[in-house]
Amino acid sequence: GEDVEQSLFLSVREGDSSVINCTYTDSSSTYLYWYKQEPGAGLQLLTYIFSNMDMKQDQRLTVLLNKKDKHLSLRIADTQTGDSAIYFCAESRHNQGGKLIFGQGTELSVKP
Amino acid sequence: GAVVSQHPSWVICKSGTSVKIECRSLDFQATTMFWYRQFPKQSLMLMATSNEGSKATYEQGVEKDKFLINHASLTLSTLTVTSAHPEDSSFYICSARDKTSGMSGGELFFGEGSRLTVL
Repeated sequence: GEDVEQSLFLSVREGDSSVINCTYTDSSSTYLYWYKQEPGAGLQLLTYIFSNMDMKQDQRLTVLLNKKDKHLSLRIADTQTGDSAIYFCAESRHNQGGKLIFGQGTELSVKP
Repeated sequence: GAVVSQHPSWVICKSGTSVKIECRSLDFQATTMFWYRQFPKQSLMLMATSNEGSKATYEQGVEKDKFLINHASLTLSTLTVTSAHPEDSSFYICSARDKTSGMSGGELFFGEGSRLTVL
């Protein structure tokens, strides 16, 4: 995951918006993903964006992609305590068989 | 949505024994499955790419004789940790891509993970 960078920790209050940032390095990446992982569980896909898009919105989630800067962000509106988890961004490397490379994960803590 | 099932979800074994973990795609066919390893509070590290009907492609630093991968059908890949030692204790997660999604597109479905503890 060293080629995909995320901040490690984010703390917000319930009801606020959360913004989790990610930078990646491979310009050949075709898809970029956000996954959520709760303690002891596998990964849950939240959303993904194709590299020719710059924004995707899905209910409380908004993904912004700046391909020039290789920067991806996930905004969670009206953050709830149930959103507390680790969030991973990942890039799908088209030139490497489509394998996913993950960032280190951002631990989101939502305080009531 | 599509489901990927891993079994067992939790296993404890003695040092020196071998452990097999299964990864099944339940309602789709997957020509490619990926095996990841995750240490506590860390990211997922890709171990190998499992291709149906051919040898797995291992990432640098992953011992292929230690972590045997078999992808015998379009719905099943197995990871065998041979002669397990305490340092092999980890959370192993598999993922699968629907073969209709193409090489790098669409959703990658993840199993719930298998936690291995080697005593």
